[in-house]
Amino acid sequence: SYALTQPPSVSVAPGQTARITCGGNNIGGTSLHWYQQKPGQAPVLVVYDDSDRPSGIPERFAGSNSWNTATLTISRVEAGDEADYYCQVWDSSTDHFVFGTGTTVTVL
Amino acid sequence: QVQLVQSGGGVVQPGGSLRLSCAASAFTSITYGVHWVRQAPGKGLEWVALIRFAGDEDIYADSVKGRFTVSRDIPRNTLFLQMNSLRPEDTAVYYCAKVPGSHRSNPFDHWGQGTLVTVSS
Repeated sequence: SYALTQPPSVSVAPGQTARITCGGNNIGGTSLHWYQQKPGQAPVLVVYDDSDRPSGIPERFAGSNSWNTATLTISRVEAGDEADYYCQVWDSSTDHFVFGTGTTVTVL
Repeated sequence: QVQLVQSGGGVVQPGGSLRLSCAASAFTSITYGVHWVRQAPGKGLEWVALIRFAGDEDIYADSVKGRFTVSRDIPRNTLFLQMNSLRPEDTAVYYCAKVPGSHRSNPFDHWGQGTLVTVSS
């Protein structure tokens, strides 16, 4: 089955930039989405179709997707960005939906 | 403002059944799809099932196929996840999540608040 691999954790100081990667075979050829999940809350869509932001999501959240790696970049990190982040795609070969393993972002 | 309000979680014994509900407001297009996603305690997100609001198709993860069934009540704008033959490994918070259209690559743009299902004797 298709797998999306993320680093378990990323630590960043306030005001710095956090980069979260999502690796998968040829994911650059698919539409990839990113979700933010804070403790005890439902996930929230923060980036869709590789690099678009839903209404209300700050410009500090940016996405890219090429070849076998997608990246979510959070600029000028704030304490409120501390959360788990998941990438997600549709696997056309199985017609199933796949989430990445998740990355915990810690703001130092 | 789109809202998904969930209900129906609880504690059930292994082999038992439970039905979850997801009441949708503010969208009525039958081209929308609704997914079910679960999260075991301390674990990541796992996709469970998809139903198109029109009810013309539904698909399931291998881990639940044959045991779980999705359905919908259009007049009540409500989606259901019927879970049978429950196993301890089905213990999780279950979320419903809407997609904005019929294309498979659409993002999950609105989520319910989640409901906890515990399978234990």
